[in-house]
Amino acid sequence: EPEVTQTPSHQVTQMGQEVILRCVPISNHLYFYWYRQILGQKVEFLVSFYNNEISEKSEIFDDQFSVERPDGSNFTLKIRSTKLEDSAMYFCASSVGSGARNYGYTFGSGTRLTVV
Amino acid sequence: SQQGEEDPQALSIQEGENATMNCSYKTSINNLQWYRQNSGRGLVHLILIRSNEREKHSGRLRVTLDTSKKSSSLLITASRAADTASYFCATPQGLTGGGNKLTFGTGTQLKVEL
Repeated sequence: EPEVTQTPSHQVTQMGQEVILRCVPISNHLYFYWYRQILGQKVEFLVSFYNNEISEKSEIFDDQFSVERPDGSNFTLKIRSTKLEDSAMYFCASSVGSGARNYGYTFGSGTRLTVV
Repeated sequence: SQQGEEDPQALSIQEGENATMNCSYKTSINNLQWYRQNSGRGLVHLILIRSNEREKHSGRLRVTLDTSKKSSSLLITASRAADTASYFCATPQGLTGGGNKLTFGTGTQLKVEL
């Protein structure tokens, strides 16, 4: 069964530091996403990425966040200057299609980010 | 209420019993998805039901969709301890060409006891 792989599984960083969360989506998927889940809260959408550009982003995804697909396999989320409230589980997801060609999303197992 | 609200919030049953979880949503959808999350782990896609479908089965899972009531239910038959997890419904919103963001509900925490 193809998987979405996320690294690292845990990251502890000091407030103000930059972090990069990495993801390898499923190879034939075209749509990529980042979500986050603050402990005890809902899973929240951050950003979607298609055809090498951001297709949609939430109000959470401010100038401190950026995404990149630096090569044909990796998809990264960068937080430039972390804040305490960025502590959460971050999930990468990918899907083969959208709309009528949406067959569901495959999520990675997440990166638990702790900002201290 | 928000898009994708599950009911009940928590459910505790004995192994072998059936578990039913409900989800309500507010806006028009072209599909609705159910996911499972084991504690502290990633989300696992269980089943997708399209707006023109009323019922769908996958193994021990049965999902129904009533677009007139904007509601869906997930039935897990003959539950096992390994089914203990949080279950979320999710509805795609937004752009059809650029990837639909999922809006998740608050989830139902299912506990299956031996």
